[in-house]
Amino acid sequence: TQLLEQSPQFLSIQEGENLTVYCNSSSVFSSLQWYRQEPGEGPVLLVTVVTGGEVKKLKRLTFQFGDARKDSSLHITAAQPGDTGLYLCAGVSGYALNFGKGTSLLVTP
Amino acid sequence: DTAVSQTPKYLVTQMGNDKSIKCEQNLGHDTMYWYKQDSKKFLKIMFSYNNKELIINETVPNRFSPKSPDKAHLNLHINSLELGDSAVYFCASSQRWAGEKLFFGSGTQLSVL
Repeated sequence: TQLLEQSPQFLSIQEGENLTVYCNSSSVFSSLQWYRQEPGEGPVLLVTVVTGGEVKKLKRLTFQFGDARKDSSLHITAAQPGDTGLYLCAGVSGYALNFGKGTSLLVTP
Repeated sequence: DTAVSQTPKYLVTQMGNDKSIKCEQNLGHDTMYWYKQDSKKFLKIMFSYNNKELIINETVPNRFSPKSPDKAHLNLHINSLELGDSAVYFCASSQRWAGEKLFFGSGTQLSVL
């Protein structure tokens, strides 16, 4: 199983701040997915990055896939309380989608 | 309509009991999965089921058995429940394979006392 390491594990910030979370691996992935999970719910897909160096934007969220396709980052601009949740990166290894341990983000007003 | 639905939402039971969690997807997907999320929020694959082919994560105890009566359903049966089985269990589905978007149910919180 290819391991995905996420950092930081926890992040607590004020509304309006910017933040970046990271997803790293020693293995190459054909693609990486980012999910957000809210309390009491299952993860929901935000984006899939496929090409090395690719940058995708989803409103205030910017996702980047590393050139070597071993890492990815998620940058949130002007965070809002609605961004609060667990952010998970995931990549395919073998037959299944394997997840990192997540970054738990809390945005306070 | 909920795309992936699982029941029950909460399950509290005693050690040694046998319990089942049901999952249904109405997306017409070919592949379904069971994941376990522990207290530290780590989401780990347990099973993948595609066209009657079951792929099992070798670290899953054989007390856990998935059962798929048809393509839209994948139930999880657990025998002789142990304290360490307490977790949130998620059912998910994808169109064909794991590299595509996964749709998750809202989870079943299992508490073994």
